Amino acid sequence: SQKIEQNSEALNIQEGKTATLTCNYTNYSPAYLQWYRQDPGRGPVFLLLIRENEKEKRKERLKVTFDTTLKQSLFHITASQPADSATYLCALLNAGNMLTFGGGTRLMVKP
Amino acid sequence: GAVVSQHPSRVICKSGTSVKIECRSLDFQATTMFWYRQFPKQSLMLMATSNEGSKATYEQGVEKDKFLINHASLTLSTLTVTSAHPEDSSFYICSASGRAPGQFFGPGTRLTVL
Repeated sequence: SQKIEQNSEALNIQEGKTATLTCNYTNYSPAYLQWYRQDPGRGPVFLLLIRENEKEKRKERLKVTFDTTLKQSLFHITASQPADSATYLCALLNAGNMLTFGGGTRLMVKP
Repeated sequence: GAVVSQHPSRVICKSGTSVKIECRSLDFQATTMFWYRQFPKQSLMLMATSNEGSKATYEQGVEKDKFLINHASLTLSTLTVTSAHPEDSSFYICSASGRAPGQFFGPGTRLTVL
């Protein structure tokens, strides 16, 4: 069965450092991969979408890599700030726009 | 771009009443809309998928007579929780997708049934 794993339940880092979140998947061949941010009591906010034939995508302080051989995506936040503290969700998207979510990683950036 | 709104953001109702939640895509045409529910500290659980003008497809275990979904236009879908009970209290989130790949989520609706 399809399985998506995100690294550790919580990740604590110091302000200014780079946060790296991992998403591994098995038994799946996604057409796209999306990363979302979710704050408590709010719906997920779209951050980045990367296609299966793209290796890397950047948006401001965010960078996503997608390795379909390793079946892994890495999500980086550079120069992290306390305001980046949230839960980050990895989601695999098939060609029909159906999403499968990972369990999420809670990031805490300490000042 | 790709903004999705939901209304209301919070609703409290008495047991046995029905509640309607609206989901709108504000700047794109949503050919498909999705409804999720989320319990505290858990991941989003897909309830149903609806295509404009068609009947919704419900996930296993979701009662279609309890959770009525209407997707009458390319910018609006509604979820009606009929005869709500306390166990229906949850966080309901809609998402929408159009021609481009990706799902875009609304801010969610917190339903509390007393």
